[in-house]
Amino acid sequence: DAGVTQSPTHLIKTRGQQVTLRCSPKSGHDTVSWYQQALGQGPQFIFQYYEEEERQRGNFPDRFSGHQFPNYSSELNVNALLLGDSALYLCASRNWKDRGLFPYYGYTFGSGTRLTVV
Amino acid sequence: KQEVTQIPAALSVPEGENLVLNCSFTDSAIYNLQWFRQDPGKGLTSLLLIQSSQREQTSGRLNASLDKSSGRSTLYIAASQPGDSATYLCAVNNAGNMLTFGGGTRLMVKP
Repeated sequence: DAGVTQSPTHLIKTRGQQVTLRCSPKSGHDTVSWYQQALGQGPQFIFQYYEEEERQRGNFPDRFSGHQFPNYSSELNVNALLLGDSALYLCASRNWKDRGLFPYYGYTFGSGTRLTVV
Repeated sequence: KQEVTQIPAALSVPEGENLVLNCSFTDSAIYNLQWFRQDPGKGLTSLLLIQSSQREQTSGRLNASLDKSSGRSTLYIAASQPGDSATYLCAVNNAGNMLTFGGGTRLMVKP
């Protein structure tokens, strides 16, 4: 069973360009979140998609947008790239754990896409 | 707004030592807390997940504890090995749709 898969693994773009990153959640996971991780820092939440709608958004400008498809895969789009957008972009899917009467969930992360803006 | 802090930011120990990584959070109304490992340039690997109703979780040489009232969690690594060298991240889930991460602890275990 494949885990969370992200593509591409690395990407180099020029300032002002647009980029699209892709994520396929683990089989059976229907909720996808995106995070940005700058070098030496913890990941920062961008947004989460469930049932093809954005459910919550972190403190990121409108240049960051997303989409979720009926098969639960997702895209992250960033317009008008800035040098400061250079980071590792991580995708996570919500992993429900069934423990009888009290199910709970955690998150499973992909390997990320390293975006470099020059 | 939830804030998560991890201390120390970096740690270097000789092989075989037992060690403790600390995580503190400001809002104790959490749903659960997850510890992750990250190797350089790679994604996150989940190590342990502790529900708000639990006090600790164990997996192999790893033990994570949770004290909600004081806003703290610790990750205990027994008999450290060079292969444990990585960044360890603590993430708090406040039952919304997002995880709030600490800045991580960079661990180096020397042979």
